[in-house]
Amino acid sequence: QVQLVESGGGVVQPGRSLRLSCAASGFTFSAFGMHWVRQAPGKGLEWVALIWYDGSDKYYGDSVKGRFTISRDNSKNTLYLQMDSLRAEDTAVYYCARGMGASPPDYWGQGTLVTVSS
Amino acid sequence: DIQMTQSPSTLSASVGDKVTITCRASQYLGSWLAWYQQKPGKAPSLLISKASTLESGVPSRFSGGGSGTEFTLTISSLQRDDFASYYCQQYNSFPWTFGQGTKVEIK
Repeated sequence: QVQLVESGGGVVQPGRSLRLSCAASGFTFSAFGMHWVRQAPGKGLEWVALIWYDGSDKYYGDSVKGRFTISRDNSKNTLYLQMDSLRAEDTAVYYCARGMGASPPDYWGQGTLVTVSS
Repeated sequence: DIQMTQSPSTLSASVGDKVTITCRASQYLGSWLAWYQQKPGKAPSLLISKASTLESGVPSRFSGGGSGTEFTLTISSLQRDDFASYYCQQYNSFPWTFGQGTKVEIK
């Protein structure tokens, strides 16, 4: 069955960097677009980024554009989110999710918590 | 960016009630709108795409309607398992945006 497992979360100081990973299994990873979506504690959902199935196109939310980079390695069935210049407001659970083309994500991981604090 | 506004923010209802959540977009979406359910501590689950297409395995008591800028999610007869938060999301244009959410509570 479809499985998405995020890792790499933790506590990081403001201004520092962190890289999240999402290991995919149970489907043909290279055929699907992949998303990152985050949720600050007690808050709603915020769409972060999308990468096309082959990595050819990438889209970002306004609050992370220029600081975060989404990428993928289809040979490893793994999605990444490189987060630079982190701010306190980036504190959230980060979910990776699968989407077919430009369709909404249909399978989600369980999330990894990122806490930005000094 | 397209702003999504859900109402109400909180809804108190009883088992068996019919409930409707509204989502309004600041720009025309056509039918490019999805609904998600999220339970505490869990990832969201996709309920409806293209405004009214029920995802596989979603109970038929859920239905979606609307187009353009105004959309609805209706639960025809609320079940105990439905007490959760619900979010709309537009995917008509980037950046994709979510509504602020509606929490459905037990009355």
